[in-house]
Amino acid sequence: LAKTTQPISMDSYEGQEVNITCSHNNIATNDYITWYQQFPSQGPRFIIQGYKTKVTNEVASLFIPADRKSSTLSLPRVSLSDTAVYYCLVMIYNQGGKLIFGQGTELSVKP
Amino acid sequence: SAVISQKPSRDICQRGTSLTIQCQVDSQVTMMFWYRQQPGQSLTLIATANQGSEATYESGFVIDKFPISRPNLTFSTLTVSNMSPEDSSIYLCSAPPGGVEYNEQFFGPGTRLTVL
Repeated sequence: LAKTTQPISMDSYEGQEVNITCSHNNIATNDYITWYQQFPSQGPRFIIQGYKTKVTNEVASLFIPADRKSSTLSLPRVSLSDTAVYYCLVMIYNQGGKLIFGQGTELSVKP
Repeated sequence: SAVISQKPSRDICQRGTSLTIQCQVDSQVTMMFWYRQQPGQSLTLIATANQGSEATYESGFVIDKFPISRPNLTFSTLTVSNMSPEDSSIYLCSAPPGGVEYNEQFFGPGTRLTVL
């Protein structure tokens, strides 16, 4: 499994766009990039997944450059409720469901 | 999507005792997973629970300490045996409702265990 590196923590203010970058230098051809969000006292929640270029859903956007050695999760106009830990995972799309979590990025949104 | 519930939500136990955590999914799933999350830390996969076969444990976790049952496609239990304070943690179960080919998984709310 490819190792991921993310900032341990980030601070932001309400209404700002937040970009969290994840490094995965040894990503394999069959690997997908998946992001999870975990609020305090809750289990993680799937946010978004992509293979290359850009993926957007109602929650976030995921930008993946051509070399796929990094990815950026973009949260538009964050609110206090976006305060959470965000995990970047790199995994084969059809690997059997095992999720291997790295350390994650603790995002704190301030008023 | 899937709704996953866990029981108990929290417990305080004495060292040397055992606790069984239940995980219920509102739909049939092929695989279920058990994780441990120590305070302020990331999640660590304990084992994969397959219906009709023995659970598959990750490195560092053994069946004698964390026996798992998977009696049907919607239910699993994890037992934490002969507990010590080092077992104090949050235990979570998860399942991919779309089948094992999907990376989107749903998690239960967790069971917060404190061992005295």
